[in-house]
Amino acid sequence: GAVVSQHPSWVICKSGTSVKIECRSLDFQATTMFWYRQFPKQSLMLMATSNEGSKATYEQGVEKDKFLINHASLTLSTLTVTSAHPEDSSFYICSARDLPGYEQYFGPGTRLTVT
Amino acid sequence: GQNIDQPTEMTATEGAIVQINCTYQTSGFNGLFWYQQHAGEAPTFLSYNVLDGLEEKGRFSSFLSRSKGYSYLLLKELQMKDSASYLCAVRDSNYQLIWGAGTKLIIKP
Repeated sequence: GAVVSQHPSWVICKSGTSVKIECRSLDFQATTMFWYRQFPKQSLMLMATSNEGSKATYEQGVEKDKFLINHASLTLSTLTVTSAHPEDSSFYICSARDLPGYEQYFGPGTRLTVT
Repeated sequence: GQNIDQPTEMTATEGAIVQINCTYQTSGFNGLFWYQQHAGEAPTFLSYNVLDGLEEKGRFSSFLSRSKGYSYLLLKELQMKDSASYLCAVRDSNYQLIWGAGTKLIIKP
């Protein structure tokens, strides 16, 4: 099956700093990428959907100025958590798909801890 | 609104069979997915149903009834490694995945 990678797999940062997470589709063109957040013992929460070359569509309650998403190419999307706070500590997972109707493939996730 | 319901937690015995139910109400329907998620890991794809009926894949089977808005995931010959959360997700008319909260399955020896 298709492979999606994420980097880093885990990161610890200090409160007030920014962190960038990369999501890459390795063997297919990701027309659409999705960013999810998952708190312990909770289900996936969709943060935003991005189409290559377009601005991301954010879910209600997600601050677009805090969670910057860039999907500049068909194989790479980045999520930057700006001015991170301890409450941003979470498991961030990206997924990607080629065309609507096609399966979404998940990256391995990035565990962010803000101290 | 859109809603997907599944039990929060289930317990089963190694070697037994367990059925995890999922009911949904969504804006349109373009398929139902089951994912397995081990603690601290991303979800992995298990099955996909778009037509009514049973899809069998090894020890795992998934059933769909679109008229009832209902699906189940059946796991046979349970193994300890099957201890995980099982997520039901429905693809709506906009091809967005709507996620259930997940069912934590605990396997006991």
